[in-house]
Amino acid sequence: AQKVTQAQTEISVVEKEDVTLDCVYETRDTTYYLFWYKQPPSGELVFLIRRNSFDEQNEISGRYSWNFQKSTSSFNFTITASQVVDSAVYFCALSEAQESASKIIFGSGTRLSIRP
Amino acid sequence: DAMVIQNPRYQVTQFGKPVTLSCSQTLNHNVMYWYQQKSSQAPKLLFHYYDKDFNNEADTPDNFQSRRPNTSFCFLDIRSPGLGDAAMYLCATSRNRLEETQYFGPGTRLLVL
Repeated sequence: AQKVTQAQTEISVVEKEDVTLDCVYETRDTTYYLFWYKQPPSGELVFLIRRNSFDEQNEISGRYSWNFQKSTSSFNFTITASQVVDSAVYFCALSEAQESASKIIFGSGTRLSIRP
Repeated sequence: DAMVIQNPRYQVTQFGKPVTLSCSQTLNHNVMYWYQQKSSQAPKLLFHYYDKDFNNEADTPDNFQSRRPNTSFCFLDIRSPGLGDAAMYLCATSRNRLEETQYFGPGTRLLVL
């Protein structure tokens, strides 16, 4: 069965610190997709990144970077030089490329607070 | 700008009084989803439409129904809201099947009195 674990329920750091959000997943499929979404206090889920299981290259987008390691089934997210606007709940998610399926499994989320 | 729109943003209803939440999209995506998200929890998929094909999750209560009259619009009907149905309801779309990225609307927060 597929499962996504975000062990960090809440993280609080001071502005400008780097912070890493952990995500560990379980799946039996060899083809799958991993996502990160940001949910600010307004409530909308904002798409950040999608990665398929065959692409283990790490990605950097501005202050955001993602480290995908199949060997440890992890897809961690790092924010460099954090800012107050980064405060939100961050969800890691997994979907499997099954033709008849249509389910994206979310982790329980990590609430990130950036203190000025 | 192309987007997913949900109206209203906040909805108050009475216990047992039917309520309808709406979602529209300008992305021309084939798939539309409805999620329920309770406080401090992950979104939970209720059902989705792949074009006109309705797909219900096994654990979605019968109290929840959906309609998709055309590509752009999708409605969530709660026939007899209970206090436990108070939540944020999120609509999402994707171009095709699940592996495609889902794009979410701003959500409708439902309060049941």
